[in-house]
Amino acid sequence: DSGVTQTPKHLITATGQRVTLRCSPRSGDLSVYWYQQSLDQGLQFLIQYYNGEERAKGNILERFSAQQFPDLHSELNLSSLELGDSALYFCASSVRDFREETQYFGPGTRLLVL
Amino acid sequence: GNSVTQMEGPVTLSEEAFLTINCTYTATGYPSLFWYVQYPGEGLQLLLKATKADDKGSNKGFEATYRKETTSFHLEKGSVQVSDSAVYFCALRPNSGYALNFGKGTSLLVTP
Repeated sequence: DSGVTQTPKHLITATGQRVTLRCSPRSGDLSVYWYQQSLDQGLQFLIQYYNGEERAKGNILERFSAQQFPDLHSELNLSSLELGDSALYFCASSVRDFREETQYFGPGTRLLVL
Repeated sequence: GNSVTQMEGPVTLSEEAFLTINCTYTATGYPSLFWYVQYPGEGLQLLLKATKADDKGSNKGFEATYRKETTSFHLEKGSVQVSDSAVYFCALRPNSGYALNFGKGTSLLVTP
């Protein structure tokens, strides 16, 4: 158990819908990262927050957005969903965002868009 | 840009066999290097890491050495067990970046 929690574990929805994925980092971790794992693209970085502020963006679509709240939990919002958005979405956290620091991953949310 | 290349597998081994999973990287400067493991139906777990050249990371019988001259971080284990069956990901975190860049993962199946 990494100490990072993600809800829900599974999500099934329809095209065009909007969903919110939630992540609670390990106690004391200030940095939260979101990754997408799909069969064709592999594991890709989406976005990072540090202590409530956006720090870095990766291959995140404009239909996707995220935020980190004062209690440091984070939410990833996916809208106008398409079939290709079906994937496993991971949240990871670390104490700070130094190069050598370990990112601890949650169990993931499996999203299926029908 | 930064990238990680690893053998995709699947790799099938008999129990107690020697394991090597190759990983090479492209990055400027001195990135940190990681191996993560994903067991079926689970999330990613850190297996080991190395943060500077010639460092050796080790955990649970697995080892990998950060080789700057060959830009490699190959994963090895002397004697695999059935319980080691999983997907293994090599990853780097660059000097001036925040995210992990992952390889495509190598599926390992160990048979009794």
